[in-house]
Amino acid sequence: AQRVTQPEKLLSVFKGAPVELKCNYSYSGSPELFWYVQYSRQRLQLLLRHISRESIKGFTADLNKGETSFHLKKPFAQEEDSAMYYCALSGHNQGGKLIFGQGTELSVKP
Amino acid sequence: DAGVTQSPTHLIKTRGQHVTLRCSPISGHKSVSWYQQVLGQGPQFIFQYYEKEERGRGNFPDRFSARQFPNYSSELNVNALLLGDSALYLCASSLPLGLAGVVRFGPGTRLTVT
Repeated sequence: AQRVTQPEKLLSVFKGAPVELKCNYSYSGSPELFWYVQYSRQRLQLLLRHISRESIKGFTADLNKGETSFHLKKPFAQEEDSAMYYCALSGHNQGGKLIFGQGTELSVKP
Repeated sequence: DAGVTQSPTHLIKTRGQHVTLRCSPISGHKSVSWYQQVLGQGPQFIFQYYEKEERGRGNFPDRFSARQFPNYSSELNVNALLLGDSALYLCASSLPLGLAGVVRFGPGTRLTVT
């Protein structure tokens, strides 16, 4: 079965602390993995994708095929990072058909 | 670039009624997808249309249908509304099918069924 699991509904950290949002997936084949973010009163937007191997707003994510994980990390959280974060996957050449996790709300306190 | 636009922003319907939601993709995007997001959950895939043809369907009953027009805009129709259909309905547009990373989402339509 194709599934994305985000075990934490809420993650609360203090400003400057490291952040790790967990994501595990189940997929038969080679999926593409993404992190989407939704800031308050804004639309869902792409944060990063595993094939780009990029760092956006200080966030990075490494695809671990052995552990079927794609955790999102940031060494020093900022208050403006507070948002809903969704991990998602799609099959090869299935752009537009995304399977999302339940989401993790990140709250960064001053 | 106005981004993906959806209408209406929100609406309230009564159980058993029918609803039509509309979506205009980003200029140049030929693929439109629809998602349902129930409160507290991640978006769930409903349909994908590309070049006016259905290219994917999620696990939703036949009460849900959609279509794409020659200008690539799209409509999502839901018949015989149930209380459980209350959700945020998201439209997303993208370039050709293989480029998953350029999926862009609209602001959503908030549907409340009473």
